[in-house]
Amino acid sequence: DTGVSQDPRHKITKRGQNVTFRCDPISEHNRLYWYRQTLGQGPEFLTYFQNEAQLEKSRLLSDRFSAERPKGSFSTLEIQRTEQGDSAMYLCASSFSVSYNSPLHFGNGTRLTVT
Amino acid sequence: KQEVTQIPAALSVPEGENLVLNCSFTDSAIYNLQWFRQDPGKGLTSLLLIQSSQREQTSGRLNASLDKSSGRSTLYIAASQPGDSATYLCAVQGSSNTGKLIFGQGTTLQVKP
Repeated sequence: DTGVSQDPRHKITKRGQNVTFRCDPISEHNRLYWYRQTLGQGPEFLTYFQNEAQLEKSRLLSDRFSAERPKGSFSTLEIQRTEQGDSAMYLCASSFSVSYNSPLHFGNGTRLTVT
Repeated sequence: KQEVTQIPAALSVPEGENLVLNCSFTDSAIYNLQWFRQDPGKGLTSLLLIQSSQREQTSGRLNASLDKSSGRSTLYIAASQPGDSATYLCAVQGSSNTGKLIFGQGTTLQVKP
């Protein structure tokens, strides 16, 4: 068990470019979550998967954002036509859904800076 | 709509002091409440999870309590150390079985040697 892994740790991009982040959850975890955190705020829910199915999306997730988890293992989060307001820490978390009291395990996040 | 508030936003204490962090939530229909620690530029580390049927949980020098009826939780840190300096976040899991968490904005703690 190596924990939740996110790649890259940092991404600097110019406004209008597309970016893609990757998350590898803990191997036996069937649920995977994406959160966004801006400076001085708590994380905000974006979307979550159970296995390969995307079961809920926040209204924060505009049509420029898309997330996938094709084989129920790793997940990608893509942002198209990035805007300066997309600058934030993007956090991935995973859990095991047998019990709804299963704690979430977070990765170290991807810090996105849009210039 | 569930809202989570943490007070104070920042706290500075001398080493060795006992301290309490506060968390309040507006909707008492929750499955659980979790406390996390976040170091600068890092992800979140789970500290304690209190199920809705529980009143408190303890781990080492940390004790978290939950009063669902009043919509409040406290995180008690005993004998604080400089290594406890971090941001502490509380989060509630609502009544749907999604595991989705609603977070407060955090309390940033500085423990001075």
